[in-house]
Amino acid sequence: KAGVTQTPRYLIKTRGQQVTLSCSPISGHRSVSWYQQTPGQGLQFLFEYFSETQRNKGNFPGRFSGRQFSNSRSEMNVSTLELGDSALYLCASSLSPNQPQHFGDGTRLSIL
Amino acid sequence: AQTVTQSQPEMSVQEAETVTLSCTYDTSENNYYLFWYKQPPSRQMILVIRQEAYKQQNATENRFSVNFQKAAKSFSLKISDSQLGDTAMYFCAFMKLWPDSGGSNYKLTFGKGTLLTVNP
Repeated sequence: KAGVTQTPRYLIKTRGQQVTLSCSPISGHRSVSWYQQTPGQGLQFLFEYFSETQRNKGNFPGRFSGRQFSNSRSEMNVSTLELGDSALYLCASSLSPNQPQHFGDGTRLSIL
Repeated sequence: AQTVTQSQPEMSVQEAETVTLSCTYDTSENNYYLFWYKQPPSRQMILVIRQEAYKQQNATENRFSVNFQKAAKSFSLKISDSQLGDTAMYFCAFMKLWPDSGGSNYKLTFGKGTLLTVNP
């Protein structure tokens, strides 16, 4: 069974641009969550989707948004990129909300 | 808000020995899960072990076991017979179990992590 797949693995952007990251959950998993990992702040929750609905959102500015499709695949978008957005973005999926989350390899986003 | 504290930024252990990683958390909730995840240099976050707060019995997974002290809000991870492949960053995480409203409201709150190095 394939794990959580995140694309792309690496991304380099410049300030002011926007970016879209993709996450394909494990087959059958309907809940998808996103996290930002930085050396300074550690792992921080971004948002969580279940059945195409955003159920929960972390303390991030409105430049961070996301969505989930009917096949449970999810995308997150960051607009007007800032240097501080450089991070590893991790996606996690779970079979149902009260089950453990399984993570992908992440997308390393670098802002120049 | 929940907080998770890992007081040991780095630890090292000799191969085949036992090591214990510490984690404390703060919450007013009664129903929750606790997890240990490992993140090797390959960067994928891997679930090591899970503990449900309502269970008094400590969880075990092969060489990994936890010491869950609910009243003390402590959740330590013991790794027995350490192997070189155990070298990784270890994160303790808390997941609040909110009332089921027909959907989900789950998120993981992570500690800052402990970098464990297993030496040959």
